[in-house]
Amino acid sequence: AQKITQTQPGMFVQEKEAVTLDCTYDTSDPSYGLFWYKQPSSGEMIFLIYQGSYDQQNATEGRYSLNFQKARKSANLVISASQLGDSAMYFCAMRGSNYKLTFGKGTLLTVNP
Amino acid sequence: NAGVTQTPKFRILKIGQSMTLQCAQDMNHNYMYWYRQDPGMGLKLIYYSVGAGITDKGEVPNGYNVSRSTTEDFPLRLELAAPSQTSVYFCASFRSAGGDTEAFFGQGTRLTVV
Repeated sequence: AQKITQTQPGMFVQEKEAVTLDCTYDTSDPSYGLFWYKQPSSGEMIFLIYQGSYDQQNATEGRYSLNFQKARKSANLVISASQLGDSAMYFCAMRGSNYKLTFGKGTLLTVNP
Repeated sequence: NAGVTQTPKFRILKIGQSMTLQCAQDMNHNYMYWYRQDPGMGLKLIYYSVGAGITDKGEVPNGYNVSRSTTEDFPLRLELAAPSQTSVYFCASFRSAGGDTEAFFGQGTRLTVV
């Protein structure tokens, strides 16, 4: 069975500062993928970043980077230079070898001016 | 490409009624998913499919049925609607081969059962 855990129900950050959102996972699959999605108050799911289990380098997409620590089974999202528009719900998700796609409970990020 | 299209966007059902939520993708993706999201909560997997003719249960399948007769379509059927099924429903599809980097989501269907 695969499981995603996001332990931070809510996080606050000052505008222009960096913030790390935590995600740990549990799986026995040797091959898997990890995702982060943003869900603003409007409700749509916006893909941010992806990391494959065999990828040697940490994934980066603009201001988003994924801090992948395979031995610790963690896949934390780092947002640099936070903007007011980053205020949203953030979900970590895992795709197992059977392509079952499981989401964590999410972290609500609030960016303060 | 239209991506993942869900219909309807909103629906109100009476207790005991049935309905089908439609989901279609035009990206030739093998893998498709149905989730429900209750207010302030995460996404719970209802059913998923790894290809036409193959479906499997997720975390919360009770009260729902799916079928996958074509690669493009993955409808979700609610039989005997109950207030507990009031939720936002998302359909997603996933690329199967190398280079798969994202699951595409539809815009969601907001369902209220009264």
